[in-house]
Amino acid sequence: GAVVSQHPSWVICKSGTSVKIECRSLDFQATTMFWYRQFPKQSLMLMATSNEGSKATYEQGVEKDKFLINHASLTLSTLTVTSAHPEDSSFYICSADEQYFGPGTRLTVT
Amino acid sequence: AQSVAQPEDQVNVAEGNPLTVKCTYSVSGNPYLFWYVQYPNRGLQFLLKYITGDNLVKGSYGFEAEFNKSQTSFHLKKPSALVSDSALYFCAVYGGATNKLIFGTGTLLAVQP
Repeated sequence: GAVVSQHPSWVICKSGTSVKIECRSLDFQATTMFWYRQFPKQSLMLMATSNEGSKATYEQGVEKDKFLINHASLTLSTLTVTSAHPEDSSFYICSADEQYFGPGTRLTVT
Repeated sequence: AQSVAQPEDQVNVAEGNPLTVKCTYSVSGNPYLFWYVQYPNRGLQFLLKYITGDNLVKGSYGFEAEFNKSQTSFHLKKPSALVSDSALYFCAVYGGATNKLIFGTGTLLAVQP
């Protein structure tokens, strides 16, 4: 079946720094990739939708200048959390074509 | 508006007993319905989906779900629960005007040995 990977699986960073999370579709080309965040014991909240070669579409309330999404190819999308703060600490999950989910990235900002 | 409801935060069942995790939805037009399972600190794993056709959908790990249009439900079921089934289960719907996958709040399934 289709496999989506995320790197890193967990990361700890200091407040004010930036962190890049990669999402790759390993054995197929994904036209669209989705980025979600999940707080403890809560559901997934869609942050943005990205199509290869075009600008991402952000959900209401998500700061596009803080959460930079790049979808450079049909197999790679990146999410960069800029100037991270402790409240950005969360579990970030990507999805390719809405059915195939990555294993998630646990971000902790200290 | 498109929405999904999982009325139970937690379901407890004894190993070997049948289990049901409830899901109801609201969407205009024909819904695409999904079930996912999430183990601690892991991403989501696809279990099954309903797009069209037979109302009873069979999925991974012995799970199945029944699409009931009149009750707008898509309950997840398994005839005999395993302790290893203990996890967080999410129902999701795709469709309507938003063309987004909307997730329910999740139901924690706890299977006691």
